[in-house]
Amino acid sequence: GQQLNQSPQSMFIQEGEDVSMNCTSSSIFNTWLWYKQDPGEGPVLLIALYKAGELTSNGRLTAQFGITRKDSFLNISASIPSDVGIYFCAAQGAQKLVFGQGTRLTINP
Amino acid sequence: ETGVTQTPRHLVMGMTNKKSLKCEQHLGHNAMYWYKQSAKKPLELMFVYSLEERVENNSVPSRFSPECPNSSHLFLHLHTLQPEDSALYLCASSREGGWGNTGELFFGEGSRLTVL
Repeated sequence: GQQLNQSPQSMFIQEGEDVSMNCTSSSIFNTWLWYKQDPGEGPVLLIALYKAGELTSNGRLTAQFGITRKDSFLNISASIPSDVGIYFCAAQGAQKLVFGQGTRLTINP
Repeated sequence: ETGVTQTPRHLVMGMTNKKSLKCEQHLGHNAMYWYKQSAKKPLELMFVYSLEERVENNSVPSRFSPECPNSSHLFLHLHTLQPEDSALYLCASSREGGWGNTGELFFGEGSRLTVL
């Protein structure tokens, strides 16, 4: 079945550092999305990407839809304490939305 | 506030109990979903309703029974659960389901279920 390989599984960084995470698959998708889940909350959509090669920013967040349609990355610049949480990639294929396993981000002040 | 409200936020039940989880969306969306979130696993899709019709049931055991009385409300009825069913159950909605779904989901805060 369709699966997403998200890496890294966890990150421990200092406040102010940049963060990079990515998602890959052997399948082609029409849409790539990135969600963030704060402790005790449900996931919230951060960025949605609809075209291969598309690069989109949302504040300090930047994400790209890979040109092969099989991967995506998310970068966070100048991390702050409220960036802590679990980041999920997701990809929409034919009627099916697939989620990665998540990247848990921890920030040391 | 995402516009999707789940109750209760926490539930502890014995294996012989019957309980229900409730979800309400105030976004005017046409599709609603139940997901199960366990530690160190991807989000598992359980059920999808589009325009109040169940369009997907991902081989979920019959001890989980969904109900969608209208496009704003979704229930998950629970009975004779097992300890391994303990997890965070997330409700979500989207503007469209099926082929029209863009993947943009709005999640509730989840119901944390513990089965003793």
